[in-house]
Amino acid sequence: GDSVTQMEGPVTLSEEAFLTINCTYTATGYPSLFWYVQYPGEGLQLLLKATKADDKGSNKGFEATYRKETTSFHLEKGSVQVSDSAVYFCALKYSGGYQKVTFGTGTKLQVIP
Amino acid sequence: AAGVIQSPRHLIKEKRETATLKCYPIPRHDTVYWYQQGPGQDPQFLISFYEKMQSDKGSIPDRFSAQQFSDYHSELNMSSLELGDSALYFCASLTLGEFSIPQEAFFGQGTRLTVV
Repeated sequence: GDSVTQMEGPVTLSEEAFLTINCTYTATGYPSLFWYVQYPGEGLQLLLKATKADDKGSNKGFEATYRKETTSFHLEKGSVQVSDSAVYFCALKYSGGYQKVTFGTGTKLQVIP
Repeated sequence: AAGVIQSPRHLIKEKRETATLKCYPIPRHDTVYWYQQGPGQDPQFLISFYEKMQSDKGSIPDRFSAQQFSDYHSELNMSSLELGDSALYFCASLTLGEFSIPQEAFFGQGTRLTVV
C-alpha cells in the first residue's frame, strides 16, 4: 500500500538557518504530494503542493520538488524564523474526492532565536 | 474554535466484547478518516468517509465496521475484541477544496482502547 515516511524530529535550528525536512513516499500510482503545517493549538493547514513529477510547490519561503526518480518530496527553506516553529506533515493523495490522504507522522521543527 | 471531538476518551473492554467509538468532525468538514495507533507504532489508516459514503478502506479487520451519519459524525464499531486491538484510535476531519485537494485537516485527541 501507499505510505509516507518523514524524518524523525524534533529538528532544532537557529534562526536564519537552512531547513530540510526529508519526506519519501511509496505509491502504486501517481499521486499528488503535499506539505501541511500545524502550529501549536491549531489544525493542519495546507502549506504547498505538487501534482506531478518535477513540479515544485512553494509558499511562504518554503519549497518542495516532486522527485519521481527518488520518490521524495523534501521540504526546504533558506532561512527559518522562530515563527516557523510547528509540526510539518508530508502527505500524498490521488485525484478524486473519494481518495484517501496518506499522512506521514509529522516532524516537529523548533527554531530558537 | 471547535475541534474534532472523539468519545469516549478512554475505554476498557474485555475480550470478545464490542465497542463503539465516535468522532464529531469540524463543522463544514465532509471527510472523516479513522486511524489506529498501537503502542510505539505509526498510525495505520483504517477507513475513510466522504460525504457520508465510504471512500477508502485500509487495514481494517472484518470485525470492525464504520459509518458516517447525516450530521457527518462517524462511528467505528468493533466486535469480538481481541487483546491486540488495544490502541489509540483517532480520527481526522478534513475539508476538500478545488480538485479535491485537502485544505484543512484536524485530528482528534483519540480514544484509548484497552482490551483486557
